[in-house]
Amino acid sequence: DVKVTQSSRYLVKRTGEKVFLECVQDMDHENMFWYRQDPGLGLRLIYFSYDVKMKEKGDIPEGYSVSREKKERFSLILESASTNQTSMYLCASSRRQGYLNEQFFGPGTRLTVL
Amino acid sequence: AQSVAQPEDQVNVAEGNPLTVKCTYSVSGNPYLFWYVQYPNRGLQFLLKYITGDNLVKGSYGFEAEFNKSQTSFHLKKPSALVSDSALYFCAVNPLTSGTYKYIFGTGTRLKVLA
Repeated sequence: DVKVTQSSRYLVKRTGEKVFLECVQDMDHENMFWYRQDPGLGLRLIYFSYDVKMKEKGDIPEGYSVSREKKERFSLILESASTNQTSMYLCASSRRQGYLNEQFFGPGTRLTVL
Repeated sequence: AQSVAQPEDQVNVAEGNPLTVKCTYSVSGNPYLFWYVQYPNRGLQFLLKYITGDNLVKGSYGFEAEFNKSQTSFHLKKPSALVSDSALYFCAVNPLTSGTYKYIFGTGTRLKVLA
């Protein structure tokens, strides 16, 4: 059974803390993505990576950074968490030809920043 | 601007009745279209996709979708709804022109199937 796993289902942090969200996929996929999901706004792409050490900004990269040191792992970093980053964060992966292939999603991390 | 619209925030349907969840898109070029479902406290799961070929696409759990180029629509359908179909449904498009990796997701439609 193919899987995308995320390190935490629920996370509570304080304003100004550095936050790490980890994502691991076991499908040997080249592409990995980080989205945030907010009611009424759907999914918005934060960053994606098409190869190890490669990354590109999505639609809302401000306040976030990413790291991909190994093919199976893609980390999202909130350098200094703020309350407006309270959200559901979804990681996804897909095979190289991303426009043809569906994305596989992790279960999500619900982050609350106090 | 390229976009995807799901005009209904919520759709209610009685169990056993046919259901339709609407999606329209606005992109330049040929779109690649997807439907995903999200059950409570879960990530999104792929249902079906349209890449090319037959306009009627069949997917998981008895769902199907019809691609209509003239109306720029890709509505999700099922002949007979189940209570277990109650979930949040997302339409997504990859317009290719913005790069091969970047999908545009709709805002989601909550489907409620009533017993």
